[in-house]
Amino acid sequence: KAGVTQTPRYLIKTRGQQVTLSCSPISGHRSVSWYQQTPGQGLQFLFEYFSETQRNKGNFPGRFSGRQFSNSRSEMNVSTLELGDSALYLCASRESTEAFFGQGTRLTVV
Amino acid sequence: AQKVTQAQTEISVVEKEDVTLDCVYETRDTTYYLFWYKQPPSGELVFLIRRNSFDEQNEISGRYSWNFQKSTSSFNFTITASQVVDSAVYFCALSENSNSGYALNFGKGTSLLVTP
Repeated sequence: KAGVTQTPRYLIKTRGQQVTLSCSPISGHRSVSWYQQTPGQGLQFLFEYFSETQRNKGNFPGRFSGRQFSNSRSEMNVSTLELGDSALYLCASRESTEAFFGQGTRLTVV
Repeated sequence: AQKVTQAQTEISVVEKEDVTLDCVYETRDTTYYLFWYKQPPSGELVFLIRRNSFDEQNEISGRYSWNFQKSTSSFNFTITASQVVDSAVYFCALSENSNSGYALNFGKGTSLLVTP
């Protein structure tokens, strides 16, 4: 099976802009989760989608949103970007309890 | 609230040495899952092992072994005969059994450097 695919791998945006990140899960996996990784805060859970419904949400502002499509692919959107949003954004897909991660999208906000 | 503590920030060993990575967790749930992930420089988190809260049997898988002790809330991970390719950041994570999903709560990570 192909692994979790995240696009793009790298992204540079300007403060105030918005960005959309994409994640294609492992075939057959219906759960997709998103995590933010920064040097200061470490790995933090953003949200999880299952069968197109958000099932769980971490402690992030409303600027962070996501959605999942019928083919289980997921997108994450960050609006009104701030410098502090610079991070590695990791997507994970899951069939049971083990989560398998993609290589991430490294977002730099300037 | 859940909490995962990895007290070791960085560890440096010489190839072929054994190395143990420590993990201590806090949770009020009786059913939970513990994980170890490896993050090489490429950035991808690689799943290594999972342990259920109701199964304290310790196992060995190749050069990896783990020691899960509920009495001390610890889930330590050992690499035997370390190799240079083991150099990475290792994360311990905790997930509760929840109808609202399996959000992973990660520790801060331990950076392991294995030198020839």
